[in-house]
Amino acid sequence: GQQVMQIPQYQHVQEGEDFTTYCNSSTTLSNIQWYKQRPGGHPVFLIQLVKSGEVKKQKRLTFQFGEAKKNSSLHITATQTTDVGTYFCAGWGSQGNLIFGKGTKLSVKP
Amino acid sequence: NAGVMQNPRHLVRRRGQEARLRCSPMKGHSHVYWYRQLPEEGLKFMVYLQKENIIDESGMPKERFSAEFPKEGPSILRIQQVVRGDSAAYFCASSPPNPDPRVTEAFFGQGTRLTVV
Repeated sequence: GQQVMQIPQYQHVQEGEDFTTYCNSSTTLSNIQWYKQRPGGHPVFLIQLVKSGEVKKQKRLTFQFGEAKKNSSLHITATQTTDVGTYFCAGWGSQGNLIFGKGTKLSVKP
Repeated sequence: NAGVMQNPRHLVRRRGQEARLRCSPMKGHSHVYWYRQLPEEGLKFMVYLQKENIIDESGMPKERFSAEFPKEGPSILRIQQVVRGDSAAYFCASSPPNPDPRVTEAFFGQGTRLTVV
């Protein structure tokens, strides 16, 4: 079945350093979504990318969708302690279900 | 517009008991998804429902687990004869009745933390 893979699983950074998480799908995606889950919280939608090669920015966050629509990345510039949490990418499966990667857990040392 | 409501937030059950988890989607949403999350792990898809229909249950164990989304009332995830391995956070998400659900986001509830003792 369709799989969505994310690396790395964990990332520890010093506050102010940059952070990147990568997402790869076993199949071409119609779109890709990114979610953030704070410790003890629930996933919250961040953004959706639809077009091949699309790049979107939200303040210090930059999201990219690969040309082949099979991979994506999330880059955070100059991390802050408020960025702590797990970042998930997700793609829609053929049956209409939303399939999540295993996530990248980000910890930020002040 | 209230968000996705899940209850209870925390549920403790003894081995062999039944667990019932409820999810009320956002107003106007007719698509519901259930996910299971083990500690320090990702979100594992379980089941996708629309009103009165199970669309995809490929992620749900064949035994002891069932889900429904009736015409009236919340969606229910039911786990019979719970075992310790069922301990996890169960999240429900909903999305609107867009003709193409692939172009919309999913809104998550706060989850039910199930502990089996």
